[in-house]
Amino acid sequence: SQQGEEDPQALSIQEGENATMNCSYKTSINNLQWYRQNSGRGLVHLILIRSNEREKHSGRLRVTLDTSKKSSSLLITASRAADTASYFCATYNNAGNMLTFGGGTRLMVKP
Amino acid sequence: EPEVTQTPSHQVTQMGQEVILRCVPISNHLYFYWYRQILGQKVEFLVSFYNNEISEKSEIFDDQFSVERPDGSNFTLKIRSTKLEDSAMYFCASRGTRNNDEQFFGPGTRLTVL
Repeated sequence: SQQGEEDPQALSIQEGENATMNCSYKTSINNLQWYRQNSGRGLVHLILIRSNEREKHSGRLRVTLDTSKKSSSLLITASRAADTASYFCATYNNAGNMLTFGGGTRLMVKP
Repeated sequence: EPEVTQTPSHQVTQMGQEVILRCVPISNHLYFYWYRQILGQKVEFLVSFYNNEISEKSEIFDDQFSVERPDGSNFTLKIRSTKLEDSAMYFCASRGTRNNDEQFFGPGTRLTVL
């Protein structure tokens, strides 16, 4: 089954710094998504990158995708304390009816 | 802005009891999902539901689990005989169409089995 795995598992930075999280997956994909989860809350979709895209931006978010290495990265620029959360990558199976999440990166941004 | 809602926010039950977790997906969405997250662990897929039937289920979704869309608005997850290891956050999600891969998640129900 497809599975995204993030690293690092935890990341602590100062406000204003950039945060980079990486995700690896195992099988071919049509797209890869990143979600955010505040502590104990539901997940919020951040950004989707298609397999034919190499880079995508949304506000302070930048996502890259390298299908040859089966990896993706999420960069949050100029981080804020409010960015403190867990970030997960997710991919669908071939049938497109099962979304599999990675283990997540817990990001802490210190004010 | 439309959102997915879930009730209750917290359910405490005794081992062996049946629980029903309820979700109201976004009204014009066609695809529905349940996930669970054991404390400190990753979000795990349980089941997907489309056109009034299960389209995919994981190994976790055994005979103790069932889903239903009884009235066109609610989407429920039933656990027939809860075990201690069923304690987790359960998230419902919905998705609009096949061409839109974004899923919208509810706030979750925390299930505690004693």
